[in-house]
Order: sequence, then C-alpha cells, then structure tokens
Amino acid sequence: GAGVSQSPRYKVAKRGQDVALRCDPISGHVSLFWYQQALGQGPEFLTYFQNEAQLDKSGLPSDRFFAERPEGSVSTLKIQRTQQEDSAVYLCASSLVWGHPDGYTFGSGTRLTVV
Amino acid sequence: TQLLEQSPQFLSIQEGENLTVYCNSSSVFSSLQWYRQEPGEGPVLLVTVVTGGEVKKLKRLTFQFGDARKDSSLHITAAQTGDTGLYLCAGVGGATNKLIFGTGTLLAVQP
Repeated sequence: GAGVSQSPRYKVAKRGQDVALRCDPISGHVSLFWYQQALGQGPEFLTYFQNEAQLDKSGLPSDRFFAERPEGSVSTLKIQRTQQEDSAVYLCASSLVWGHPDGYTFGSGTRLTVV
Repeated sequence: TQLLEQSPQFLSIQEGENLTVYCNSSSVFSSLQWYRQEPGEGPVLLVTVVTGGEVKKLKRLTFQFGDARKDSSLHITAAQTGDTGLYLCAGVGGATNKLIFGTGTLLAVQP
C-alpha cells in the first residue's frame, strides 16, 4: 500500500481482555517500530524489528506485551490481560532502509481504551 | 522515561505571532528530528539536523541544533492556523537508530 496501515483504528477492551493490534508496513520495508503514545505526550519506544528478527524489545512495559513479525512484513502487537494503564495510542512506523530515520513513515495508530 | 524535555508544554497564540519551542536533553544524539502530529494521525517528519550548530529553514520554520548536539529549537515566524498541532522533537541513537521522542509541545494558533 501507499502508507503504513494499522487496524483497528479504535479498540475498546474490558479490563482483563486480550487484544491484538495489526500493522501493515509499506511493502518491502525492512525496519518496523512500535511506539506507545499517551494523550498529548510524545510516543515512547516499545520494540523494533529488522525483517522478522526482533532486535530490541527493551521498551515493552511488561511481559503482558508481545510483538511478532513472523514473515518480515505484517506485525502484530498483542497485549494480554489488559489494564487501564494500557489505554493509549499505539503507533507503528516502517522504513525501507535499515535504521535510517529520514525514511520512517508512521501509521495513524490504534487508539486502545481499556474500561 | 523521556530523555528529551520540550518547553513550553502548551502554547496558544494569535495568527501572525512568532514562537519558539525548545528541546533539551542531557544526552548527545547523532541527529535530531522534528515532527508535527495532527489529531488522529501519526507524526510527520519536518526536518533532520545532524551537525552541531546547524540551522535549517523550511519556509516560515527555522530549526537549530545546539553546538553540543544535546538541544534544539524550532522557531515559527508569523504563525498560521494551519500550524496548529503537536510538535515533537526526537533524538536518534542506539544501535537500531530508534527515535527517542520528546515530551511534546501542543500549539494552538487562533484566527
């Protein structure tokens, strides 16, 4: 596609429910990042993939958060047993060239609300 | 934990006024970027600065990178209502060149 596509755009989950957020990067893009953004704040790094390899997951806040990119294209961020503090916008970004920040394209994000 | 502090956090001005947003860190970055984000959208890259002391101009926007590559500023001349949005600085660093975003400055330009 022309841009990074994220789905769903909005998700309401009951506390304790598991959720899966999807990111479709631009075709052929090697690098893929996930960020978490609270309202009015800057995004915070969660994890990074180079193709299918998860090279950095230092930003995942707990073991309830899990990300995968099994075929080096689509990525899924899964949150188990959601809690209210997980409410945020989850952003995905991809880049054609490994690690070149000028090439990062962000998706519109998934707004997760945990009630 | 945010390593980049932006000031001010909020700014509401009238159309035609000038403004400056600051981005400060105790860390050195290989480069620094500025983004603008509108509600419901992802951040969009405005500029990348690489060299200490570098100044870049993008129409009415002027970006400066500090000599020590720890801080940066964004100056907007004659603000327009279309400049309204969340402005984010982001330091580039680490083995993966991940972006470390600042705390954000929410700008509202009133007609």
